[in-house]
This record gives sequence, C-alpha cells and structure tokens, in this order.
Amino acid sequence: DSGVTQTPKHLITATGQRVTLRCSPRSGDLSVYWYQQSLDQGLQFLIQYYNGEERAKGNILERFSAQQFPDLHSELNLSSLELGDSALYFCASSHGGITGELFFGEGSRLTVL
Amino acid sequence: AQSVAQPEDQVNVAEGNPLTVKCTYSVSGNPYLFWYVQYPNRGLQFLLKYITGDNLVKGSYGFEAEFNKSQTSFHLKKPSALVSDSALYFCAVRDIGTGGFKTIFGAGTRLFVKA
Repeated sequence: DSGVTQTPKHLITATGQRVTLRCSPRSGDLSVYWYQQSLDQGLQFLIQYYNGEERAKGNILERFSAQQFPDLHSELNLSSLELGDSALYFCASSHGGITGELFFGEGSRLTVL
Repeated sequence: AQSVAQPEDQVNVAEGNPLTVKCTYSVSGNPYLFWYVQYPNRGLQFLLKYITGDNLVKGSYGFEAEFNKSQTSFHLKKPSALVSDSALYFCAVRDIGTGGFKTIFGAGTRLFVKA
C-alpha cells in the first residue's frame, strides 16, 4: 500500500460528458502529480501541484484541468470526453524534494463509450 | 529536455538466470534516474534511484542498477530472476524546469520470467 488513494477505481461514461477524479496523497507529501497511461502513449505526465500551486505542466489538454486543495487532496477534471480519453489515470505524490521518488495510487480506469 | 529510452519492448529470461533491463538517458546537468515496476492492474512501485555517489545502486526485491556516465546508461539488473519478477518495468528521469519538476518515464519493458 503506497498510501496514495484514488477514487473512483473504475468509471464508465459517454462521449461529451465530464468526470472528476480524486486523489489523496500520502500523509505529509506536498506534491501531487497526475499521469495518463494508455496502451499507445505509455505513461504521460499531465500536471504537478505543490502545496496548492501548479508547478509543472505536461501535455495536458485544454479540456482537462486540475487543482490541489488546502488539505492537499487533488482533483483532475476531464470534460467534453472523447473516446481517446479512455485510459488509466494515475496520481502520485512525493515529499516535494527534487530527488524524491514518486508514490503511485492504484489508478482510475476511465472508459468513454 | 530530459528523456530516457528503453530499447527493448520485452525481455524473456528463465527463472534463476540473471536479468538485465536496459535504459539509456539524455539529460542536461546532473541525472536523477529512477526505476519503477508495475504489476497488472496496479500502480507503479518505486524500485531504486540514482542521485549521486556509488554507480551501483541497490534497491527493493534484490534489484540493482548500474549508472554508467560514459555510456549514458542506467541498466536494471538482478542476479537470479524469479517468476514473480514478471511485470512491466519503467526507467524514469527527473526533468527540472522553472518552478517545478516532473518525472519523465520511458516506454516500459515487459519482463517475462519462465519457470
């Protein structure tokens, strides 16, 4: 158990809909990262937050947004969903130091029909 | 930008034999390198990291990795493979930007250990 909690574990929705994925980091970790894992794209970095502030951005679509709340949990919002958004979405946390490893949640599997 | 490459999609070894999963990196500045493992339907788990110091890094589950600066490689090794080592392995590098940093992952190498 990594200590990172993601909900929901599975989500099935239709194209055009909006979903919210939630992540609770390990106790004491200030940094939260979101990744998308799909079969053809591998593990893609989306965005990083540190203590409530956005710190780094990857190839995150404009239809996607995220935030980190004062209690350090984070949410990833995916809107106007397309079939290609079907993937496994991972949240990871770290203490925030440059040399720290990431601790991953079990992921949220999104299926867009 | 920092990047890592895993040249093999798949590695097959027999149980009890040594295993190597290859990784090469491209960085500007000091390399911060990591290995992670992913079992089916699970999140990634940290195995080991190289930050500085000894080129041979020891990690979890008997794995180790050798940092080679001249060859820009960071290969993952284990002296004796177990069937339970069968999983997807990712090499990763820390990419430091302005104000923050991200971890960039390789495409992954699937390891099959045959009994």
